[in-house]
Amino acid sequence: ETGVTQSPTHLIKTRGQQVTLRCSSQSGHNTVSWYQQALGQGPQFIFQYYREEENGRGNFPPRFSGLQFPNYSSELNVNALELDDSALYLCASSSLAGDTDTQYFGPGTRLTVL
Amino acid sequence: EDQVTQSPEALRLQEGESSSLNCSYTVSGLRGLFWYRQDPGKGPEFLFTLYSAGEEKEKERLKATLTKKESFLHITAPKPEDSATYLCAVQAGTGGFKTIFGAGTRLFVKA
Repeated sequence: ETGVTQSPTHLIKTRGQQVTLRCSSQSGHNTVSWYQQALGQGPQFIFQYYREEENGRGNFPPRFSGLQFPNYSSELNVNALELDDSALYLCASSSLAGDTDTQYFGPGTRLTVL
Repeated sequence: EDQVTQSPEALRLQEGESSSLNCSYTVSGLRGLFWYRQDPGKGPEFLFTLYSAGEEKEKERLKATLTKKESFLHITAPKPEDSATYLCAVQAGTGGFKTIFGAGTRLFVKA
C-alpha cells in the first residue's frame, strides 16, 4: 500500500450542492494530482499542484478547484454539483524530479450525486 | 491530440494460460509510459514506468515492454489473484506533467 490517504471514503450529495474532498500525500512527496474516474473508464486528469501552485489542468470547468497546503496535503472542491459528477475521485502523490512524474494513488473517494 | 488506446477491453484466461495486453499511444514527445493495476473500488497500484523504446521491466509474472508506438504487458502463467483491471498511462509533450490514461483491460483468470 502507498502512504496516500483520502477522506471521506464515500459521500452522497444532491445536485447543486458543494463538496470538499481531502488527500494526504505520501511522505517525501511534494506534488498532488487529482483525477475523476467514471465507472468502466480510465482516470481523467483534473489538475496538479506542485509546492502549493497549480501546475497543470485538464478539461474540467472552473467549478472544480483545488488547494495544496504547506504540508503538501490537498483539497478538491466541486461547486454546483451535477449528476455527471458522480464518480470515483482519485488523488495521486509524487515527487517531481527529472523529466517524468511517477504517481502513487490513494484509495479514492466515491461521490454520488442525486 | 494525445491519445491512449488499450486492447482488448476484456480478457478471460485459464490459470496458467499466458497472454499479452496492448497499449497503443499517439503522443508528441513521450516522457514516460506507466502501467497500473486496479482492483474494483480501489485506487490504481503502480507497476512499471518505461522511458524509451526497447526498454523492458519485470515483476513476478508480469513483463512490460515498450516500442515507439505501443507497449505490451505480458502475463506469464497467470493466477486467479492476477484478475484486475490493468491501466496504461502516458506523460508527453512540454505542457507539464499531464498524465493521460487508457480505459483499461479487465483481466479475468479462472482457476
